[in-house]
Amino acid sequence: DQQVKQNSPSLSVQEGRISILNCDYTNSMFDYFLWYKKYPAEGPTFLISISSIKDKNEDGRFTVFLNKSAKHLSLHIVPSQPGDSAVYFCAASAGAQKLVFGQGTRLTINP
Amino acid sequence: EAGVAQSPRYKIIEKRQSVAFWCNPISGHATLYWYQQILGQGPKLLIQFQNNGVVDDSQLPKDRFSAERLKGVDSTLKIQPAKLEDSAVYLCASSPLGGSYEQYFGPGTRLTVT
Repeated sequence: DQQVKQNSPSLSVQEGRISILNCDYTNSMFDYFLWYKKYPAEGPTFLISISSIKDKNEDGRFTVFLNKSAKHLSLHIVPSQPGDSAVYFCAASAGAQKLVFGQGTRLTINP
Repeated sequence: EAGVAQSPRYKIIEKRQSVAFWCNPISGHATLYWYQQILGQGPKLLIQFQNNGVVDDSQLPKDRFSAERLKGVDSTLKIQPAKLEDSAVYLCASSPLGGSYEQYFGPGTRLTVT
């Protein structure tokens, strides 16, 4: 049972444009959502998070949007830079600090 | 601040052999996690420790996997005997006690079972 889904295995975006990564979840008990970024041969690193009491959180070039009625969240990166090329994981928690991860989306930023 | 340390970085073993992975979390972090990441999938939690105690091991295949965290610091994850489907990256993460959902990951150990 895949509670957190990232339906796009890969995404290619031109440098300077907006990257939009999507994530859907099924468990209505999830109350906190995180995005992690992973480079090859490294562990995931925390990028940005959002609580279920909010619908938007912004940190520099990164913005996460949460639509609870649709059980959907998205990560926007503006403008996209070559260093943003990585695998991005969406994760969710139901209050016990246990994280459930999606399958990941490989983002490639083209010059 | 030193990050989460893991060793070895790579390991190749034959099926039915045993293997152990080591993790040293960030100093002062009370909670330690072991994840299994199979190629093309997201990390899956195997076991969560808070200090010395196990908080969640519901997805740990206990017939072959075991983990311990002595003195609430370092941790070891063992597989005995290994199966082909255990080929994966094993990630260790830690987090401070209380309130933070953010977990800090080590570089992982890539295990190949042949």
